[in-house]
Amino acid sequence: LAKTTQPISMDSYEGQEVNITCSHNNIATNDYITWYQQFPSQGPRFIIQGYKTKVTNEVASLFIPADRKSSTLSLPRVSLSDTAVYYCLVGDMWGTGRRALTFGSGTRLQVQP
Amino acid sequence: DAGVIQSPRHEVTEMGQEVTLRCKPISGHDYLFWYRQTMMRGLELLIYFNNNVPIDDSGMPEDRFSAKMPNASFSTLKIQPSEPRDSAVYFCASRDSSGPAYEQYFGPGTRLTVT
Repeated sequence: LAKTTQPISMDSYEGQEVNITCSHNNIATNDYITWYQQFPSQGPRFIIQGYKTKVTNEVASLFIPADRKSSTLSLPRVSLSDTAVYYCLVGDMWGTGRRALTFGSGTRLQVQP
Repeated sequence: DAGVIQSPRHEVTEMGQEVTLRCKPISGHDYLFWYRQTMMRGLELLIYFNNNVPIDDSGMPEDRFSAKMPNASFSTLKIQPSEPRDSAVYFCASRDSSGPAYEQYFGPGTRLTVT
């Protein structure tokens, strides 16, 4: 199983760039990397997904090195509203199967003013 | 679209009682997922359906838990009898298989308290 490892928590200040790294040493060839964000008292929300190199959308960027054994979620210029738990998921391209739907412990990001 | 709808939002019940949680997925979505979240165990997948058919129920804790999806627009998660350790937030999510593979849409959750 492609188990993921993330830092338990991170602190930042408004306006800073935040990088959250996820380790997934046993990632398989067909696996994709996906990040979700969860605010308190809400369900998780999809942020970004990638397979290799770099993916960028209006919310974040995802950097994946050539060996794909890790990935980094980058949040540019965070604000207080980015305080949330961020989950890294790894699984097959169809996004199904228990392995692909395992959220893990996530990284709790606290943004200070 | 109103998003994934779950009811009730909060449920308080006594041990031994039957609890039924309800979910209405986003129209057109063909996958439906039930998760449970607690501080101790995090967010766990309980069961998921594809085109109303249960695909993987290995996460269902025990026989006290059952889930059904009688049609594409409705699913239930039932706990009978309920126990205090079932206290958690239960999320329902849905996905369109023709869209980005991992983009699940979560409902607001049902906070269950069993006393």
